[in-house]
Amino acid sequence: DTGVSQDPRHKITKRGQNVTFRCDPISEHNRLYWYRQTLGQGPEFLTYFQNEAQLEKSRLLSDRFSAERPKGSFSTLEIQRTEQGDSAMYLCASRQTGHGYTFGSGTRLTVV
Amino acid sequence: SQQGEEDPQALSIQEGENATMNCSYKTSINNLQWYRQNSGRGLVHLILIRSNEREKHSGRLRVTLDTSKKSSSLLITASRAADTASYFCATDAWEGGSYIPTFGRGTSLIVHP
Repeated sequence: DTGVSQDPRHKITKRGQNVTFRCDPISEHNRLYWYRQTLGQGPEFLTYFQNEAQLEKSRLLSDRFSAERPKGSFSTLEIQRTEQGDSAMYLCASRQTGHGYTFGSGTRLTVV
Repeated sequence: SQQGEEDPQALSIQEGENATMNCSYKTSINNLQWYRQNSGRGLVHLILIRSNEREKHSGRLRVTLDTSKKSSSLLITASRAADTASYFCATDAWEGGSYIPTFGRGTSLIVHP
């Protein structure tokens, strides 16, 4: 197992466009998390899945954000009608319940 | 909202010295974790301490947890230049009926050779 993979590594998009990111977790891990991180800040929780069920979603998360995890394997995070404030590093992590997170390298989004 | 708050925000030391970082949190927790992040990279899990544990060691790392004070500390002994990174604490915090994983803002550590 090569760890948590995220694709793409970098994404530049124009304001108003939709973007989709993909995360492939460690296969043995039942939980998958999405975080957003801006410069000088810690990761901000967005949402998480246990297997294919989306269990929690941040109250601060705009309706423009949606995540899926079909069949409990990989996950996608879509941002519709992107805004400049969406520019950030989007991190995916997976874990087994009660253990630490394994993070991917992230997708850096720049909205111009 | 930031559940964990690290202190200090920045720390600059010489190689060979010890580095101590603190984390405070607000709600009840299952466990507390520490992570390292090198510039522009993903986070790397360092150590997890459960709420019924008081101290844990891993190599040059020592973590303590005081649930009565809702605080934790991370000690890095005999620091090296390669320890230069940001360090974050994370908790599974009980909020609104479920455990939400939250991170602090981090401590930026610089170890000078």
